[in-house]
Order: sequence, then structure tokens, then C-alpha cells
Amino acid sequence: QVQLQESGPGLVKPSETLSLTCTVSGGSISTYYWNWIRQPPGKGLEWIGYIFYSGSATYNPSLKSRVTMSIDTSKNQFSLNLNSVTAADTAVYYCARGDAKRKVDYWGQGTLVTVSS
Amino acid sequence: QTVVTQEPSLTVSPGGTVTLTCASTTGAVTSSYYPNWFQQKPGQAPRALIYSTSNKHSWTPARLSGSLVGGKAALTLSGAQPEDEAEYYCLLYLGGAQPWVFGGGTKLTVL
Repeated sequence: QVQLQESGPGLVKPSETLSLTCTVSGGSISTYYWNWIRQPPGKGLEWIGYIFYSGSATYNPSLKSRVTMSIDTSKNQFSLNLNSVTAADTAVYYCARGDAKRKVDYWGQGTLVTVSS
Repeated sequence: QTVVTQEPSLTVSPGGTVTLTCASTTGAVTSSYYPNWFQQKPGQAPRALIYSTSNKHSWTPARLSGSLVGGKAALTLSGAQPEDEAEYYCLLYLGGAQPWVFGGGTKLTVL
């Protein structure tokens, strides 16, 4: 059974960088697309971007200037960095698996990140 | 920027049937949009239900089905159960600079 687990600081100061890691267990990180998705409190889901196991990444144009994703296949982990954060970046951040058939299946439980001084 | 729209809220009676839809401002939704559907209950992560329009995951209840109807992606629930009360999101693949876009979600009430 594939499992994903997000980890990282729950509190980030404005203008600083939000950094999260997703650890994949129960399956290989290879051949899949690895997504980051967020959900502000009380609002809907927003796709942030994905990174392929090869390291190529595609980001949501609305966040592209502030987002960087990376992947470490040896550790079965992938990461999200979002810089220059503001209160509007406060959200539950999820990681999720996708594949070449455009299927998104397994999700992490999510982690709440609050941007506040 | 492409907007994906869903009904904000719907109500279905226990045992009844309801269809949720997902539309795109780019035009008719086709199988090339590879619609995915997710269910989210309060305090929980989304759970995948449908992919590529109508394909079910191994854990998807048989009473749920996906299709294309009138230029939209559709999720039909037949024989609603109290545990189906949740928020439902669609996800469309648009390709290009922004491959994936979520719909705004439909809050489904079973009453």
C-alpha cells in the first residue's frame, strides 16, 4: 500500500521560505509524477505543481515565480519550496501521486502551514 | 486563465440519485481532459474516486460512476448513503503551462 507523508515546519514568517518534504513508502518514486496541492482554510483545492521522477517540473503559472520542486529518488522523497510567503499562503499542503495516464490516486494526510510573524 | 466550475451545493435524499458536473471555460470537456474526481470529508485529505472520465479505483464504491454529459464531466451517485455527504472536487488536465486545474468543489448534502 502506497503511503505519502508530508513533513516540515507548521509556522513560517512572512517573506521567508516555506519548505516541505513528502516521503513515499510502499512503492517506488520512479515513473510517476509527484504533485503538490494546497487548500487554504475553508476554501477549495489549488494545484501547485508536479515533479517527474527524472527531475523535470511544471508549476502553476500563478505561483511559478516563487516555487521550486526537487526530488531525491534515493530517499523516495520530493520537496516543495515556496519563497516570499504571505498570509495568503496559509493552507493545508498535500502531496499526491500522479501517473502518465493522468490518474491522481494516493494522497498524503496534509500538513497545515501558517504564515505569521 | 482557465476556470473549472462545479455546482456549489447539491442535496440528495437517502437512496436517491444525483449528478455532479464539472465544466471548463475553455469549452466542452472531453476525454482528453482526463477528468478526475475526489471526495473530501471535513478534516480529511481528499480521496480519489474516478480517473480518466469513468475509471474507478479499487476502493471506489460501485454506486459512483463517471461520464461525460452535455460537454461536461459528470459524477453520478446512485443510491446515496449518509456517508456520501462530503465535498466533491473535479480535476481537469489542460496540458500546456498549467496542466491541472481543480474545480471549486460541490458540497453534497444527503438529507
